[in-house]
Amino acid sequence: QKEVEQNSGPLSVPEGAIASLNCTYSDRGSQSFFWYRQYSGKSPELIMFIYSNGDKEDGRFTAQLNKASQYVSLLIRDSQPSDSATYLCAVNVVGTYKYIFGTGTRLKVLA
Amino acid sequence: GAVVSQHPSWVICKSGTSVKIECRSLDFQATTMFWYRQFPKQSLMLMATSNEGSKATYEQGVEKDKFLINHASLTLSTLTVTSAHPEDSSFYICSARAGTSGVYNEQFFGPGTRLTVL
Repeated sequence: QKEVEQNSGPLSVPEGAIASLNCTYSDRGSQSFFWYRQYSGKSPELIMFIYSNGDKEDGRFTAQLNKASQYVSLLIRDSQPSDSATYLCAVNVVGTYKYIFGTGTRLKVLA
Repeated sequence: GAVVSQHPSWVICKSGTSVKIECRSLDFQATTMFWYRQFPKQSLMLMATSNEGSKATYEQGVEKDKFLINHASLTLSTLTVTSAHPEDSSFYICSARAGTSGVYNEQFFGPGTRLTVL
């Protein structure tokens, strides 16, 4: 059974701090990894994707991938109250176009 | 670019009736579309994958006779919940993959349809 695991939270950080969100996956052959943000009652929106080991930065967001340890993380710098949402990690199922989603981590940024 | 729409955004129906949800890719051709279901405080669960012009592939545990999926064109897929019951009440979300997504396999999500069955 292929799995993607995240800490459900809530993760509370003060405004302006760095929020660190983690995700582990079970399928060692996975190649593509995605971070989505989902506000309550809304559909997920893509923040960024990563497919190579190392860091990938986009504005205040940095995705980190370590395939040897099978984890992917998302750092949010200068966290804002508007970043408060559930963050979903998705992993592409090898040999298909499907994703498996983690259960999501609820982030609360305190003003 | 890469906009996906869903219609309706919400629907309330009586138990035993059927409900059709449309998913459209507005500015790209979607070779593959996905249907997800999300219950409150849970993650997205993939229900089925559909490719234009062929039968949908359902995930284990999803009743194909209850959740009818039609992918008639490269821009439209429909999900029909037949004989809906209260336990089918959920947030249904579609996504679409462009034929040009390449190895990244990026999916673009629609805004979702909230179904309430009374």
